Amino acid sequence: AQSVTQPDIHITVSEGASLELRCNYSYGATPYLFWYVQSPGQGLQLLLKYFSGDTLVQGIKGFEAEFKRSQSSFNLRKPSVHWSDAAEYFCAVIGQAGTALIFGKGTTLSVSS
Amino acid sequence: DVKVTQSSRYLVKRTGEKVFLECVQDMDHENMFWYRQDPGLGLRLIYFSYDVKMKEKGDIPEGYSVSREKKERFSLILESASTNQTSMYLCASSLRGGPGEQYFGPGTRLTVT
Repeated sequence: AQSVTQPDIHITVSEGASLELRCNYSYGATPYLFWYVQSPGQGLQLLLKYFSGDTLVQGIKGFEAEFKRSQSSFNLRKPSVHWSDAAEYFCAVIGQAGTALIFGKGTTLSVSS
Repeated sequence: DVKVTQSSRYLVKRTGEKVFLECVQDMDHENMFWYRQDPGLGLRLIYFSYDVKMKEKGDIPEGYSVSREKKERFSLILESASTNQTSMYLCASSLRGGPGEQYFGPGTRLTVT
């Protein structure tokens, strides 16, 4: 069965420092992968997605993610974090049926000044 | 822009009450979803619908039912609310046959006392 693992429950990064959030997936075929961000009390916003082609994908707010099939990973990165990036981040993969997403449990990002 | 709206941001109900959570999307999406979000558990799929009057159980359907009489509207029903249904409820929609990216509403925080 498909699954998504986000190994880090909580990460704290200094403002201006680089960020990498880890995501590992389990899926039999080429996956469709997503990163979402959730600010406190809000719904989820799509940051970026990978379907095929270039394994480095660019998203909104300066985020990027790299798909590595050999490692079953889709890590999210940002070169310089801003205080407004503090939020919860979810990695997701589309399920076998092609409709519902399977989410990781999320990583909470705190930004220190 | 895709817009998914939910009828209430905050809701307080009593144990045993019948509760209706409404979700409306304006992008003519075929697929609609209801998730429940709890700290440390991430998002868990309750039900989804891929067409009017069609529904499929997700991972945690017990204690819930759904209704989709019109394409744009998907309702989640708690037949007899219980305290363990206190949670954040998120609605989402997506295109049928697309790669699966979902668009989320702002969420309803339900408290059952």
